[in-house]
Amino acid sequence: EVQVLESGGGLVQPGGSLRLSCAASGFTFSNYAMNWVRQAPGKGLEWVSAVSGGGGSTYYADSVKGHFTISRDNSKNTLYLQMNSLRAEDTAIYYCAKSSCSTSCYSVIDYWGLGTLVTVSS
Amino acid sequence: NFMLTQPHSVSESPGKTVTISCTRSSGSIASNYVQWYQQRPGSSPTTVIYEDDQRPSGVPERFSGSIDRSSNSASLTISGLKTEDEADYYCQSYDSSNPWVFGGGTKLTVL
Repeated sequence: EVQVLESGGGLVQPGGSLRLSCAASGFTFSNYAMNWVRQAPGKGLEWVSAVSGGGGSTYYADSVKGHFTISRDNSKNTLYLQMNSLRAEDTAIYYCAKSSCSTSCYSVIDYWGLGTLVTVSS
Repeated sequence: NFMLTQPHSVSESPGKTVTISCTRSSGSIASNYVQWYQQRPGSSPTTVIYEDDQRPSGVPERFSGSIDRSSNSASLTISGLKTEDEADYYCQSYDSSNPWVFGGGTKLTVL
């Protein structure tokens, strides 16, 4: 059974940093691209970032480019999102999501995690 | 940039069949895969259809997806409606310059 489980969310002050993790199981992790998608309170889903199966290609939404970094450790079946210079508008539930593809169609999502809440507030 | 347009809401009775459309504004609907996500209030999203017509493991066969080149649209069909199917449904696709194009969502009411 495919499972992805996020962790690392919490309350952080504006300008602070946080690292999210996503532990994956039930599939060959290195064969698939992985995504982070977020949802601000009362808003729709917003794609944040993706990384190819091998980790060599990364993709970012313009809203996070330069202050978020996606990475993965295929030996640990784990996806990460390093979030720096956090702003109030980054407050959201962050979902880890598995792609059905390895590279080119990375935003085609077939499985989602339950999410982890990030709150940016003083 | 293209847009995906969905009806704001649909309603149908239990046991019936409902179809939700998703129309692509420019470029061919067949050029890039279409996904359908279900989100119940207060819950995380789940994928009911990916790659136009594929169901993830655990999604009932009552859910099916298709694309129609003539109308440049995708459709999600749910047969044998159950009250648990009541949720918001979103279509999503992409192209070479936009990794995430999202429909506005359709609220399905099963009454």
